[in-house]
Amino acid sequence: EPEVTQTPSHQVTQMGQEVILRCVPISNHLYFYWYRQILGQKVEFLVSFYNNEISEKSEIFDDQFSVERPDGSNFTLKIRSTKLEDSAMYFCASTPRGTYGYTFGSGTRLTVV
Amino acid sequence: RKEVEQDPGPFNVPEGATVAFNCTYSNSASQSFFWYRQDCRKEPKLLMSVYSSGNEDGRFTAQLNRASQYISLLIRDSKLSDSATYLCVVNGEGDYKLSFGAGTTVTVRA
Repeated sequence: EPEVTQTPSHQVTQMGQEVILRCVPISNHLYFYWYRQILGQKVEFLVSFYNNEISEKSEIFDDQFSVERPDGSNFTLKIRSTKLEDSAMYFCASTPRGTYGYTFGSGTRLTVV
Repeated sequence: RKEVEQDPGPFNVPEGATVAFNCTYSNSASQSFFWYRQDCRKEPKLLMSVYSSGNEDGRFTAQLNRASQYISLLIRDSKLSDSATYLCVVNGEGDYKLSFGAGTTVTVRA
């Protein structure tokens, strides 16, 4: 079964440092997403990406965040200057279309110290 | 008002029991409804989509009430492996983003 792959599985970084979380979506999917889940809280939408541009973003996704699809396979989330409150599980997801067929990656646990 | 609200539980049931729980959503324009399952510190996995007429998948039955804006999930003949957090999910105000509830925890005991 096709998978969404995320690396690394766990990243520890110092406050103020930049981090890049990487995702390889399913190859024939067209829509890509990042969600996050702070420990003990609900899964929250960050951003959606289609046709090489952001199609929607939440208020969490401020100027410190950016996304890129640098080549035909990778989809990255960059946090420019991490804060303690960025500590969370970050899930990448992709869909062929719409809200059906969502496949989530296994997540990157980001710990900011 | 939260977009999606769920009873957090926990629901602690013996094997073989039936357990049911609901969620409510605030956006009357929501079009797509799902139940996802999340195991501890893992990614959400789709359990089932929820259709207007209600639908069943093995031991799982989902119902949608658009008038009252609630969705339900019923698990029959609970197994130990059903222990998980069940996430109520609806499509949000944008086209394709999902809005998650905080989850209902179910623990099935032997």
